[in-house]
Amino acid sequence: AQKITQTQPGMFVQEKEAVTLDCTYDTSDQSYGLFWYKQPSSGEMIFLIYQGSYDEQNATEGRYSLNFQKARKSANLVISASQLGDSAMYFCAMRDRNTGNQFYFGTGTSLTVIP
Amino acid sequence: DAGVIQSPRHEVTEMGQEVTLRCKPISGHDYLFWYRQTMMRGLELLIYFNNNVPIDDSGMPEDRFSAKMPNASFSTLKIQPSEPRDSAVYFCASSFSRPLTGELFFGEGSRLTVL
Repeated sequence: AQKITQTQPGMFVQEKEAVTLDCTYDTSDQSYGLFWYKQPSSGEMIFLIYQGSYDEQNATEGRYSLNFQKARKSANLVISASQLGDSAMYFCAMRDRNTGNQFYFGTGTSLTVIP
Repeated sequence: DAGVIQSPRHEVTEMGQEVTLRCKPISGHDYLFWYRQTMMRGLELLIYFNNNVPIDDSGMPEDRFSAKMPNASFSTLKIQPSEPRDSAVYFCASSFSRPLTGELFFGEGSRLTVL
């Protein structure tokens, strides 16, 4: 079974608008971490935001926030006030202890910001 | 602080040749991961180490692939003999063992082209 599911292969958003990138996860562990990474066309993987399974507040980092719904096992990334530089691939990832602390990545969502 | 350092950044070789990719993780990190990224298959975990010991190599595609971590500051991924289907970007990444907060730090990747 897929540990991380990203159902949106591609998304478009108008500049300055907000966009939500979906991510659902699967784990039986009570302790786990959720991560989002950005990969621009230059290829590097950039860490954006982290949410712990015990965190009661949704994580925020600047224009990035993580909409964490534990019961639904979803960890959607919200980007506010989109900028042209946000055009990139976005990967959701999870780490849990059940599976030896390895990281599981989704297939990614390609975001294009339209001027 | 230096990040994860990979070399070479680009490698072009001919089918049948041996390829060695190198990685220096961030000092103090006790987990090291090797990933392969292609358009067709996305980001795949090949192998990962904890305290220099291979934990899971089930992602290594064939016996042609091997990885070593002789010490905490160095790892290699070797392909022998290389084939055109091995063409991909190979990422090395490292992290601490704290499962809830240990984000993954990626190197810039080694782009391999096998002709």
